[in-house]
Amino acid sequence: EVQLLESGGGLVQPGGSLRLSCAAAGFTFNNYAMSWVRQAPGKGLEWVSAFSGSGGITYYADSVRGRFTISSDNSKDTLFLQMNSLRAEDTAVYYCAKAGTGATTRYFDLWGRGTLVTVSS
Amino acid sequence: QSALTQPASVSGSPGQSITISCTGTSSDVGGYNYVSWYQQHPGKAPKLLIYDVSNRPSGVSNRFSGSKSANTASLTISGLQAEDEADYYCSSYTSSSTRQVFGGGTKLTVL
Repeated sequence: EVQLLESGGGLVQPGGSLRLSCAAAGFTFNNYAMSWVRQAPGKGLEWVSAFSGSGGITYYADSVRGRFTISSDNSKDTLFLQMNSLRAEDTAVYYCAKAGTGATTRYFDLWGRGTLVTVSS
Repeated sequence: QSALTQPASVSGSPGQSITISCTGTSSDVGGYNYVSWYQQHPGKAPKLLIYDVSNRPSGVSNRFSGSKSANTASLTISGLQAEDEADYYCSSYTSSSTRQVFGGGTKLTVL
C-alpha cells in the first residue's frame, strides 16, 4: 500500500528541539522530492521544507530557515525534519507530502496523516 | 514569501456551481503552469484535486476543474454536493528560494 506515516511529534518547551520522521512505503522513495507542510491550529497550510530526492538539494520557508533541517535516509525510505530553537508559532500539525512527479515540488499527490508539535512552557 | 490570495469563504446550494480564485504574482501563479488545488475535510489530511493548473488525478470527480489567467488561478466545482463542504487550498511553484507557496484557504459551505 502506498502511504506516508509521520512520527516524532509532541510537547516541547520554547527553545527546545524535536526530530520528526516520515516513513514511506509503496513507491520508490528516492525517485521523488519530499516536503514537510504544517498547519497551525485553525489556520491554513504552510509549506515548510523540501528535499529533492536523490539530488539532495534542500529548500526552506523563510520562517524556518536556519532552525530546521530536512534530510532523508534512502536505505530506510524515511524523511526527517530536525527542528531546533522551537518557538510557540511553530505549533502545528506537520504533514509529510510526496511530490507528484520526480525531483520537483510542483504538486503533492500523497500526504501522511500528520503529527502534532506543540511548543509551550 | 507571501501566501497566495484566496477568498476566506464561498457558499452555494446543492447542484449549483462555485468558483474559488487564487491570486499570486508573475513569480509564481503567472510564471508557471504549476498550480495545484487541495481539498481538506476537518481533521483530515489534504487531498490533491487538480495539478498543473487543470489536470485531475485519477479518481477525482470531473465536477472539479481548474484554469488560469495571468496571475490568477481558479477552481470550479459544478453540481455542488453536501460532501464538497470543506476547506480548499491552492498552491504554486515559485521562483523564489522557497520553491512552493500555498494560498490562505477557502471555506466552502454548501447551503
